[in-house]
Amino acid sequence: QKEVEQNSGPLSVPEGAIASLNCTYSDRGSQSFFWYRQYSGKSPELIMFIYSNGDKEDGRFTAQLNKASQYVSLLIRDSQPSDSATYLCASLGAGNNRKLIWGLGTSLAVNP
Amino acid sequence: DAGVIQSPRHEVTEMGQEVTLRCKPISGHDYLFWYRQTMMRGLELLIYFNNNVPIDDSGMPEDRFSAKMPNASFSTLKIQPSEPRDSAVYFCASSGTGSVETQYFGPGTRLLVL
Repeated sequence: QKEVEQNSGPLSVPEGAIASLNCTYSDRGSQSFFWYRQYSGKSPELIMFIYSNGDKEDGRFTAQLNKASQYVSLLIRDSQPSDSATYLCASLGAGNNRKLIWGLGTSLAVNP
Repeated sequence: DAGVIQSPRHEVTEMGQEVTLRCKPISGHDYLFWYRQTMMRGLELLIYFNNNVPIDDSGMPEDRFSAKMPNASFSTLKIQPSEPRDSAVYFCASSGTGSVETQYFGPGTRLLVL
């Protein structure tokens, strides 16, 4: 059974701090990893994807991938109250199948 | 450019009734995904299409669920007969060949089966 696991939270951080969200996956064949943000009552929207070991930065967001440890993380610098949402981690296997395996999400609360 | 369109946005029905959910993907996208989201099970892929052809329907819970994509701009997900455990938010998402990694989600249909 291929799984993606996340701490459900809630993760609470003060405004301006760094929020660190973590995700582990069971399928060593997974090639690409995705972070989606979902506001309450809304649909998921893609923040970043990463497929190479190391870091990938986009504005205040940094995705980190360690395939040896089967670990993905998302760092949010200078957290804002508008970052308060649920963050979903997903993995995609090799080959042509486009089926994403989703974690249950981590709830983040940024306190003013 | 319009995003993914879903209808209805909310549906309340009684157990045993037929429910049809509709989706219009982003123009030019050739992948379409149907998801179900609940608190307990999270986001689950039910089925996805490529160029209107079903590719993976392993997530379809049982024979009560069926999905069709008669053309590139329209898809339906049908539940017949509906049961209370089908209550969830159903999302449709689409992506294009040029960027298959990015799935764009519609606003979802909130289904409540009484």
